[in-house]
Amino acid sequence: DGGITQSPKYLFRKEGQNVTLSCEQNLNHDAMYWYRQDPGQGLRLIYYSQIVNDFQKGDIAEGYSVSREKKESFPLTVTSAQKNPTAFYLCASSIGDREIDTQYFGPGTRLTVL
Amino acid sequence: QKEVEQDPGPLSVPEGAIVSLNCTYSNSAFQYFMWYRQYSRKGPELLMYTYSSGNKEDGRFTAQVDKSSKYISLFIRDSQPSDSATYLCAMSERETSGSRLTFGEGTQLTVNP
Repeated sequence: DGGITQSPKYLFRKEGQNVTLSCEQNLNHDAMYWYRQDPGQGLRLIYYSQIVNDFQKGDIAEGYSVSREKKESFPLTVTSAQKNPTAFYLCASSIGDREIDTQYFGPGTRLTVL
Repeated sequence: QKEVEQDPGPLSVPEGAIVSLNCTYSNSAFQYFMWYRQYSRKGPELLMYTYSSGNKEDGRFTAQVDKSSKYISLFIRDSQPSDSATYLCAMSERETSGSRLTFGEGTQLTVNP
């Protein structure tokens, strides 16, 4: 089945620890995205990548880092510099080269800082 | 001020009702408009997208865009309990290659049997 997978579904982190969220897609999409969702805030863009080995900061990149070494993978690291990391994290992908570039979302990872 | 405003609800309606969900926006450069449905603890799924002003219909769903008023709507006819979810509007300026979407905060809808 084609789609986007995120792991783990739930993640608990102690303060001061870095954690990495996984995102994999087998849709052969060029573009990938990371969003954060908080109650009352909607989805906010953290980072996005239009092509392998290239990525850009979104609206709330501070305290996060990403890599795009493979087309199908776009992991997100939440660093200890992120002051309020508890949230629902969503990964998305899109073809990246068409008139209406529809984004498809994974099931999400819920991160809780203890 | 947020670029996209959406009433978070919650909105509760009886089964069979017509539901109207709305978003307003301030950025006149937005050209593409989308509605996503998100069930609890799941990722959003695309319902509809539109480009120009006017209406687009897909089954029980109708998306409406009024660019002059910077206002978009999603209508759900004959609402069902399975429509209970959070509905997110999203908008984009660019049309190609990794378009950035700006989302509303979502409206939580409950359809009661």
